[in-house]
Amino acid sequence: AQRVTQPEKLLSVFKGAPVELKCNYSYSGSPELFWYVQYSRQRLQLLLRHISRESIKGFTADLNKGETSFHLKKPFAQEEDSAMYYCALSGAGTGGGNKLTFGTGTQLKVEL
Amino acid sequence: DAGVIQSPRHEVTEMGQEVTLRCKPISGHNSLFWYRQTMMRGLELLIYFNNNVPIDDSGMPEDRFSAKMPNASFSTLKIQPSEPRDSAVYFCASSSWGSGANVLTFGAGSRLTVL
Repeated sequence: AQRVTQPEKLLSVFKGAPVELKCNYSYSGSPELFWYVQYSRQRLQLLLRHISRESIKGFTADLNKGETSFHLKKPFAQEEDSAMYYCALSGAGTGGGNKLTFGTGTQLKVEL
Repeated sequence: DAGVIQSPRHEVTEMGQEVTLRCKPISGHNSLFWYRQTMMRGLELLIYFNNNVPIDDSGMPEDRFSAKMPNASFSTLKIQPSEPRDSAVYFCASSSWGSGANVLTFGAGSRLTVL
């Protein structure tokens, strides 16, 4: 079974402060991890994935297999970062396509 | 491409009525997913298809829910009879596998309210 845990439903930070959105996972195989974001009145969209090892909009996330974590970080929060963030895990499915399991999401609120 | 298209965008119905949600995936995508979003439980996978074949429907709440994908460009999620606890936003998403990384493109969602 695959499981994704996001312990915080709401995270409130001040503009310019560092941000860390926590994500832990449970999966017996080799996982692929993603962060998706949903801005107000917009569609859910991919933010970044661990295999790309990229920084998007200043956000980074490192897969830590020892701690089974994939926390999302940004050194300086901006007002436009306010959104709902979902951590997701892709494990092996059958027939080629992979099942993507999401966490319950963390609402990030950046205050001025 | 217009992306993943869902209809209706909003649906208000009364308990006991049948509800049908529709989805048109991105042309060329092999996989289609139905998710339900609620405040309490976040995004829950209901069912997904690969090449129009249902692969995993373990997330479908109960027999009142059914989903079909008669061809590569259309899928439906049906609730019959509907209940107030089914009120949620239902998302359809599609993806193209083969590269190894399963990146989903989501539709705008269908907001269902059952009175």
